[in-house]
Parts: sequence; structure tokens; C-alpha cells
Amino acid sequence: ILNVEQSPQSLHVQEGDSTNFTCSFPSSNFYALHWYRWETAKSPEALFVMTLNGDEKKKGRISATLNTKEGYSYLYIKGSQPEDSATYLCAPYDVRFVKLTFGQGTILTVHP
Amino acid sequence: GAVVSQHPSRVICKSGTSVKIECRSLDFQATTMFWYRQFPKQSLMLMATSNEGSKATYEQGVEKDKFLINHASLTLSTLTVTSAHPEDSSFYICSASVGTGELFFGEGSRLTVL
Repeated sequence: ILNVEQSPQSLHVQEGDSTNFTCSFPSSNFYALHWYRWETAKSPEALFVMTLNGDEKKKGRISATLNTKEGYSYLYIKGSQPEDSATYLCAPYDVRFVKLTFGQGTILTVHP
Repeated sequence: GAVVSQHPSRVICKSGTSVKIECRSLDFQATTMFWYRQFPKQSLMLMATSNEGSKATYEQGVEKDKFLINHASLTLSTLTVTSAHPEDSSFYICSASVGTGELFFGEGSRLTVL
């Protein structure tokens, strides 16, 4: 089974704070890294699909970086808003397992 | 973006009965759908990959006779939990992939077996 770790498990920030969290995965046999946002009572929503080492992607106030050599990705949220409150999931695609393996997620709560 | 609809969102059943969960792609054709299960405080675990017109591919440790998957059309995959028992109580969620590689998820189904 692929070992995917996300940290921290949960995070509380104030509105306007910037925050970041980490996804760690085995660097060997890497193919792609997915980030999803999962709001309560809704469907998980894709944020980014990243494949290249050093890649950086941005969507509004959210951005992500990828280091495939050392096996980690960072997700950044600038100026957090209450609507950013959600569980953020990462999932690497490993060519050995031929599937996405999801981490446990980071639960973000943004307080007004 | 692509929309996936999953039904029912919640179901309560008695032990020994079977429960069917439907997953529909509303605005695209999904040749492949994925079924996941999530236990409390754990990650999404892939149960099986559903392929239109062929048998599903089950992950190691998932009983194919317990969790029947049918993908009879390009817009519908179903998961039937047969002879459900309390230990089958869980959150089940489906997803489909389009050409970009990202997954589009249904809303999920919370199964409670009494």
C-alpha cells in the first residue's frame, strides 16, 4: 500500500491569514499528484493535477507546488476566507499501483 | 465541469438486506467509474474500478460477491451491497474520470445497517 501523509491533520486559522499544508508521498514510480477540496455535504472538487517536478499551479488564492524528487507537495491559501473551510485531500498516482491513493486530508477551519 | 450524481445520499437498512447505490454521469459519458469507501477518520479507499460493458476490477481484500458492481451504460454504474451487515456501514462515494485525469465525484452515500 502506498504511504501518503498529509500534515497537519487539522488547522484553525483566522480570516485573512495565509496558510499552507503538506502532502508527502514516495518519490519512486511517481506519475501525478492530485489535490481536491471537500466541503461538508458536497462532492470533492478537483483543485490541481500536477505532474512535473518544480511545477507550480494557481487557482485564485490557492496555489500548489510539487517536488517529485523528494516526494512532497505544498498547498498554499493566501488570505483565507471562511468559504475556504474544507478538507483538502491529496492523492498521488503511482505507476505500480495504477490508481490514486488518497491521504487522510487536512481539515481547514477559517474563523471569521 | 463534469457532473456526477449519486443516489441515495443516505440509506438505513436491516441486516441481511441488499442495498443499491447509483452513480450517474449527467453531462458526459464515463467509460470508467471508481467506487470508494471511507471509514471514520480514514482516507478514501478504492474498492473497485467499474468499466462499461465489462466486469469490474476489485481491489485486494474487497469481496466481489459482497459488493456487486454493474456498469451497464456509459452514464450509470451501480454498487449493490448484498446481504448487508453492520460492519458494511460506511460512506461510499463514486467518481469518474475525463480526459484531463482529474476525478469528478458524486455526493456520496451514507449506509447504516441495523
